[in-house]
Amino acid sequence: LAKTTQPISMDSYEGQEVNITCSHNNIATNDYITWYQQFPSQGPRFIIQGYKTKVTNEVASLFIPADRKSSTLSLPRVSLSDTAVYYCLVGDLNTGGFKTIFGAGTRLFVKA
Amino acid sequence: EAQVTQNPRYLITVTGKKLTVTCSQNMNHEYMSWYRQDPGLGLRQIYYSMNVEVTDKGDVPEGYKVSRKEKRNFPLILESPSPNQTSLYFCASSLGLAEKTKNIQYFGAGTRLSVL
Repeated sequence: LAKTTQPISMDSYEGQEVNITCSHNNIATNDYITWYQQFPSQGPRFIIQGYKTKVTNEVASLFIPADRKSSTLSLPRVSLSDTAVYYCLVGDLNTGGFKTIFGAGTRLFVKA
Repeated sequence: EAQVTQNPRYLITVTGKKLTVTCSQNMNHEYMSWYRQDPGLGLRQIYYSMNVEVTDKGDVPEGYKVSRKEKRNFPLILESPSPNQTSLYFCASSLGLAEKTKNIQYFGAGTRLSVL
């Protein structure tokens, strides 16, 4: 079972780049790495997913080193509206089932 | 519009009174799931379903039931609610069971349940 570890919280200022790193030392060969964003009292929203190297979309970039034991979500030039909880999710097919396990997430607070 | 719809959004009930929270998706997704979210405990999976008539327990299934008689619907049933089931509940769905697609889930807006 791949377990993820993220910082509990981070602070940033508007306009800065924010990097949130997730550790997943037991990631399996077939596992993808998926990141979600959640605002208070709303359901999580998919941001980005990757398997290796770098993935970029209109919202964020995801950097995955060759050993895949960690990944870094990069949010360019954050604004106040990026204040949210960010979850790193790694597959769980090693258990033989189809569970989904969210970690504790990283609470990002963007200040003016 | 592609969406996952939960009802009701808010519910206050009393201990022991059976209730059902409905969930429906219009994306023809195979995988559906229920989560509860409590302060300090994050999102925890209650039950999930891989397809019609195929369901399995998540990490916190006690006190809950589910059914998947149609692909689009996945209701959550609390036969005898207790105060410790007071929580924020989310339904989610994803396209398929493959590693890549299973983890791209679309979430409903949530149901805030209070059991007195």
